[in-house]
Amino acid sequence: SQQGEEDPQALSIQEGENATMNCSYKTSINNLQWYRQNSGRGLVHLILIRSNEREKHSGRLRVTLDTSKKSSSLLITASRAADTASYFCATDAKSERANNNDMRFGAGTRLTVKP
Amino acid sequence: ETGVTQTPRHLVMGMTNKKSLKCEQHLGHNAMYWYKQSAKKPLELMFVYNFKEQTENNSVPSRFSPECPNSSHLFLHLHTLQPEDSALYLCASSRTTGSSYEQYFGPGTRLTVT
Repeated sequence: SQQGEEDPQALSIQEGENATMNCSYKTSINNLQWYRQNSGRGLVHLILIRSNEREKHSGRLRVTLDTSKKSSSLLITASRAADTASYFCATDAKSERANNNDMRFGAGTRLTVKP
Repeated sequence: ETGVTQTPRHLVMGMTNKKSLKCEQHLGHNAMYWYKQSAKKPLELMFVYNFKEQTENNSVPSRFSPECPNSSHLFLHLHTLQPEDSALYLCASSRTTGSSYEQYFGPGTRLTVT
């Protein structure tokens, strides 16, 4: 079952602008991860944020987490055409069999950065 | 290169065929995953293996049969598939299961069922 849900579904911006993507989830989580996927390829991990963290940075990426609102945002600053991809959040979803908090992914936000 | 390889990259099969997808990871991980990705739908977790034991079967139809002979290899055996099974099938691995560990994905197998 899906846990994270990204918003918007699609985003188109000009190179140099900032891009903000949001993720909402339904149940309490331990961790939230963001991934990127170029068209027709596998996903690449970007950043992991734990439930006791509020913000993390990695290069031009900034992730925030608001557990009271059950939401996270991914900000890409000074975007480049090469940032064009789909971005997914993934959150815990308790697995009944193994008691592992395996992750579930949303449908993603399709980001297009125009040169 | 993420250290996870998948073969074949593209597969076209008829509904009566039997084929297998292969995934191999060179990262020393203990957990491996199969996902199905259809257009405009969330990534669907299909199966999870940890230390060669299946720990998750997400209500996947029996026409999909996974096999994990060791921690480095994962197969997905396909038989009597339906056209709606056409999708990108992604394999991933991680150090072990759980959300504290990032997953490394292969490039995927684009499957078309005719």
